[in-house]
Amino acid sequence: GNSVTQMEGPVTLSEEAFLTINCTYTATGYPSLFWYVQYPGEGLQLLLKATKADDKGSNKGFEATYRKETTSFHLEKGSVQVSDSAVYFCALMHSGGYQKVTFGTGTKLQVIP
Amino acid sequence: EPEVTQTPSHQVTQMGQEVILRCVPISNHLYFYWYRQILGQKVEFLVSFYNNEISEKSEIFDDQFSVERPDGSNFTLKIRSTKLEDSAMYFCASRPLGRGDTDTQYFGPGTRLTVL
Repeated sequence: GNSVTQMEGPVTLSEEAFLTINCTYTATGYPSLFWYVQYPGEGLQLLLKATKADDKGSNKGFEATYRKETTSFHLEKGSVQVSDSAVYFCALMHSGGYQKVTFGTGTKLQVIP
Repeated sequence: EPEVTQTPSHQVTQMGQEVILRCVPISNHLYFYWYRQILGQKVEFLVSFYNNEISEKSEIFDDQFSVERPDGSNFTLKIRSTKLEDSAMYFCASRPLGRGDTDTQYFGPGTRLTVL
């Protein structure tokens, strides 16, 4: 079946540091890949996505590239801010039909001033 | 921008009571979902719903759970007799018909259910 593996958290960074959160997946075929973000006390928000190999999703300074050869979708940001403190979930979904989203365990990011 | 809404934001109930969690999906979406997140754990799929019937359900979604789309806008999750282990954040999601860039599930803000 489908699965998503994320690096264990929490990750603590100083403001303006470089961020990488690793994500790898196991799936048949060609799923779409997503990063969702959950700010404290809030719901899940779509951060970015990529629907095919070599696509790069980007939003709010975050980027992730769909790497089929390494089955990875690592999240990166060049300079984090305190406001980026949240839990980040890597996820996949197969295209079409009523397909469900499969989530990773989430990685908590804390950015300190 | 259209968004998925959920009510209530927090529900407290006694063990054994019935609860109904409500969701209003984005208006032109056709696929609807419920997920749950037990505190500190991953988000888990419960059920998907399309064309007025359940498309897929997980092993979590046993006979105590049911879903309904009673009218053209609401989508509800009912738990018939709540247990302590049902305490979780419940997320509703919806998705439009289509593939590629439109193939994304949009999540509501969640309902935190606390069973005492």
